[in-house]
Amino acid sequence: QVQLVESGGGVVQPGRSLRLSCAASGFTFSSYGMHWVRQAPGKGLEWVAVIWYDGSNKYYADSVKGRFTVSRDNSQNTMYLQMNSLRAEDTAVFYCARDRAECTRTNCYRYFDLWGQGTLVTVSS
Amino acid sequence: DIQMTQSPSTLSASVGDRVTITCRASQNINSWLAWYQQKPGKAPNLLIYKASNLESGVPSRFSGSGSGTEFTLTITSLQPDDSATYYCQQYDTFWRFGQGTKVEIK
Repeated sequence: QVQLVESGGGVVQPGRSLRLSCAASGFTFSSYGMHWVRQAPGKGLEWVAVIWYDGSNKYYADSVKGRFTVSRDNSQNTMYLQMNSLRAEDTAVFYCARDRAECTRTNCYRYFDLWGQGTLVTVSS
Repeated sequence: DIQMTQSPSTLSASVGDRVTITCRASQNINSWLAWYQQKPGKAPNLLIYKASNLESGVPSRFSGSGSGTEFTLTITSLQPDDSATYYCQQYDTFWRFGQGTKVEIK
């Protein structure tokens, strides 16, 4: 069964750290770029981070740059999000998503064709 | 940064109605636009990619159009199961979503 399953969410105090995991199954994980997307309670979707299929490139939203780190272990079919210096405004459901790329001669364009069910992170004292 | 603006924020329509949601980009994104449907408590689900391509398994009453900076998602005959929030997303330069359009059934 093709799926993504997030874990690691919970309640954490401001300034502390948390690591999320995204376990993939049913497809060749090492062939796909992967993303984290978050959604604050009652709000819209915000892209957070991407990691290339081989981990060679990583990019972050300005709101998390310098505090969050994305990584992956292709031998374990798992992606991670290390979140440091957490703030109240980081409270959200975090989703992992697989990307599907369409490439031209000069660039590749990636959208999200498979999502996990999400894990809730609550930053509160 | 490319900004995405959806309208309306909420709409209410009857079963069988034709529904249109608009998404505008702050700069040219060619056709690098996707639409997602999200139901309460669930993950988003891909409906349309590259502005007008229907994802496999998505009902044919959904369609997308547009290019450049203006795009639309149309539901030709609204069904009760279509009650959800719909998001556009540009993927020309990094990724950014519109603020969402909540579709309610009268």
